[in-house]
Amino acid sequence: GQNIDQPTEMTATEGAIVQINCTYQTSGFNGLFWYQQHAGEAPTFLSYNVLDGLEEKGRFSSFLSRSKGYSYLLLKELQMKDSASYLCAVMDSNYQLIWGAGTKLIIKP
Amino acid sequence: GAVVSQHPSWVICKSGTSVKIECRSLDFQATTMFWYRQFPKQSLMLMATSNEGSKATYEQGVEKDKFLINHASLTLSTLTVTSAHPEDSSFYICSARVEDRPTEAFFGQGTRLTVV
Repeated sequence: GQNIDQPTEMTATEGAIVQINCTYQTSGFNGLFWYQQHAGEAPTFLSYNVLDGLEEKGRFSSFLSRSKGYSYLLLKELQMKDSASYLCAVMDSNYQLIWGAGTKLIIKP
Repeated sequence: GAVVSQHPSWVICKSGTSVKIECRSLDFQATTMFWYRQFPKQSLMLMATSNEGSKATYEQGVEKDKFLINHASLTLSTLTVTSAHPEDSSFYICSARVEDRPTEAFFGQGTRLTVV
């Protein structure tokens, strides 16, 4: 079956760095997505990785290793507004998104 | 980027009534629309996939007679929750896809449905 695993909850301090891991097993692979979702809102796109390596976009970076079925989202210089759920999703061979359960990130001052 | 407008953003209805949620692609033609449901503290669960002009494909466990999906045009898809019950209270989100850009997903703002 298809499976996406990520931690349920993480806590970090304002100004620090946090890494959210995601492992996956899917039928085919057409890329891995990271989304941010604040409570009561729709997900907003953060990053897309389809090749191995690190993609950097401002304070956020995303890494992918297809051979290991592994990705992480790295958030630097954490701000209070980064408190949200972070969803890992993989697009399978049918271009359908398979979603992880999300990681709730709590930022403390 | 492409914009998907979803309405209403929230709705409260009485048990036994029906509610319609609309999803419009404002500046592009959505060949495929995905409808998701999200319960508190859980991830998005795909309910159904619809292609313009054809019947929706429902995921296992989703009642097609209860959740009616219409995708009559390339810019509009609707989800109607019929005979709603309190357990249907959830956050419903649509996502649109363009045929020539299959790896991009454009989300609506979501609809918070509360059935009382």
